[in-house]
Amino acid sequence: ETGVTQTPRHLVMGMTNKKSLKCEQHLGHNAMYWYKQSAKKPLELMFVYSLEERVENNSVPSRFSPECPNSSHLFLHLHTLQPEDSALYLCASSPRLPETQYFGPGTRLLVL
Amino acid sequence: GIQVEQSPPDLILQEGANSTLRCNFSDSVNNLQWFHQNPWGQLINLFYIPSGTKQNGRLSATTVATERYSLLYISSSQTTDSGVYFCAAGTSGTYKYIFGTGTRLKVLA
Repeated sequence: ETGVTQTPRHLVMGMTNKKSLKCEQHLGHNAMYWYKQSAKKPLELMFVYSLEERVENNSVPSRFSPECPNSSHLFLHLHTLQPEDSALYLCASSPRLPETQYFGPGTRLLVL
Repeated sequence: GIQVEQSPPDLILQEGANSTLRCNFSDSVNNLQWFHQNPWGQLINLFYIPSGTKQNGRLSATTVATERYSLLYISSSQTTDSGVYFCAAGTSGTYKYIFGTGTRLKVLA
């Protein structure tokens, strides 16, 4: 238990669906991150938020839309995804940028 | 951008053996972390170690920033140490960590 929770843990969606991934941290941290982990590839940073402001947008397709309503919650809104977007999506938080990161358990996404 | 390479890519050990995992990076770094990912996908941070040496139980890590490498030592390995070990490096002026491709460790009973 790292203090970072993610829901859902598993998600299957069609290419025309819209869904959202949720991340919540109970650590009082100020920074939150979304990562994508695909098979046989290193973790890729997608988005970084510090005090609810986006500070990094790593050339991610617009079909992924992040939202950080407060420093404890982070969402990733998904729409019209492609099969190659199937991956493990990991959320992390840190006390401040760019300190030690604490990861959630991930959402395993399958796009059909 | 910075390149991060880890070696070996795969490692099989008997329980009780010691091992050293290596992380090389192509540029000067201000931040370096080691993580363990268990077979269920959970990533656990092991060390935040931009320089110097740290120890936590059977694990220790050393980063020599001037020579652009970091080492993770596992002593008296246990089956629960199995999984993938990642290092992640970050340079000054950016919040971005670049992850290596990992070392997949299997410890046999």
